[in-house]
Amino acid sequence: SQKIEQNSEALNIQEGKTATLTCNYTNYSPAYLQWYRQDPGRGPVFLLLIRENEKEKRKERLKVTFDTTLKQSLFHITASQPADSATYLCALDQNNNAGNMLTFGGGTRLMVKP
Amino acid sequence: GAGVSQSPSNKVTEKGKDVELRCDPISGHTALYWYRQSLGQGLEFLIYFQGNSAPDKSGLPSDRFSAERTGGSVSTLTIQRTQQEDSAVYLCASSSLSDASYEQYFGPGTRLTVT
Repeated sequence: SQKIEQNSEALNIQEGKTATLTCNYTNYSPAYLQWYRQDPGRGPVFLLLIRENEKEKRKERLKVTFDTTLKQSLFHITASQPADSATYLCALDQNNNAGNMLTFGGGTRLMVKP
Repeated sequence: GAGVSQSPSNKVTEKGKDVELRCDPISGHTALYWYRQSLGQGLEFLIYFQGNSAPDKSGLPSDRFSAERTGGSVSTLTIQRTQQEDSAVYLCASSSLSDASYEQYFGPGTRLTVT
C-alpha cells in the first residue's frame, strides 16, 4: 500500500516569505497528486492537481512540483499571508484505480505570522 | 450552488449503541466517498460509491461499519455497536468524474464521540 509522509511539525514563517511544504511517498508512482487545504472544524478544500507527466503546476500564489524519481512533491506559497495559515494535505490516487480513491498524508500545519 | 452537506454535525453516543451519519452530495455528482479523520491524523478512506456499481468497501475497518447510497444521491454510514476507538470526524466527499478533474468536494464532517 502507498505510504505518504508529510512533516508533522508545524511550519512557522513570517508574512511575505515563501512557504514550502513537502510530500514524500513510497511504493508505486501515482497517476496524479493533489493538494488540499483544511481549516479547523472544516472539510478539506481542493487546491491543485498535478499529473505524473507534469513537472510543475501554478495557480496564483501557489506552485506545486512533482518529481517521480525522488517520489516527492513540493508545495509552495509565495508572498504568504496570515490567511494562508491552515493544514495542508497531500493526496495520491490509489494505484491507477478508476474511482479516484485517494490516500492522504497526515498534513502539515502552516502558521504565517504578521 | 449547494455544497456537500452532512448531518448531524456532532454526535455523542454511548459505547455499544448504533449510529447513522448522513451525507448529501452535490447534485449530479456520481461518485461519493466516506473518510474518517482521527484527531491530528490524515484522512482514512472507508468506502466509495460510483453510480449504480457495487460499492468499494475495501477501507471499512470492521463489519460493524456499513454504508448505503439510495437513488444514487444521499448516503448513510452506519456504525453498529460503537466502540471508543470509533471516535473521529467522519467526512463525506463527492466528485464528478466525467470531466476528469478528479477534484473531491468535502462536507464539513460529523464529529462522533463515543463515551
